[in-house]
Amino acid sequence: AQSVTQLGSHVSVSEGALVLLRCNYSSSVPPYLFWYVQYPNQGLQLLLKYTSAATLVKGINGFEAEFKKSETSFHLTKPSAHMSDAAEYFCAVKKTSYDKVIFGPGTSLSVIP
Amino acid sequence: DAGVIQSPRHEVTEMGQEVTLRCKPISGHDYLFWYRQTMMRGLELLIYFNNNVPIDDSGMPEDRFSAKMPNASFSTLKIQPSEPRDSAVYFCASSLNSARITGHEQYFGPGTRLTVT
Repeated sequence: AQSVTQLGSHVSVSEGALVLLRCNYSSSVPPYLFWYVQYPNQGLQLLLKYTSAATLVKGINGFEAEFKKSETSFHLTKPSAHMSDAAEYFCAVKKTSYDKVIFGPGTSLSVIP
Repeated sequence: DAGVIQSPRHEVTEMGQEVTLRCKPISGHDYLFWYRQTMMRGLELLIYFNNNVPIDDSGMPEDRFSAKMPNASFSTLKIQPSEPRDSAVYFCASSLNSARITGHEQYFGPGTRLTVT
């Protein structure tokens, strides 16, 4: 069965510092991978997705993620954190186009001025 | 496009009452999902539909919960009777699963915050 783990339920960074949110997945085949962001009192919205086209994926708001098959990882990074990046971030995996998406437990990102 | 529309945005009801949550997916999308989010359990998939047909309802917690999709532009999630432990934010999401489109990302509505007292 597929699963997603996100190391660290809460991450704090200083404004301007590197953001690194970790995601590891288990899947028997190269999957579809997603990062979603949820701002307070809103629904989830897509940050970026991996669909086997390129291992380094760029998303909105300066975020990017790298698919590493050997490590079964899809970590999310941003070079310089902004206060507006404070939100909940969810990693998600989907084995094939016909499978349901499995969401990770989420990581809450705080940005300290 | 207006995105996924959910109503009501907030619902406060008393235990034992029937609650109906509504969702209008993005036009043209063929998948519709209902999720529940709580602090304790995180984001849970309750049920999803493909072309208005329920595909997987294994996440529906019990018989008090039911969902319907009478047409491609409308779905309901009903709780009868409601209980305090049903208090949560309920999200509807839709997606397009086409051979021409890769990724199949889901588009979420703003959610309905349900409080059962």
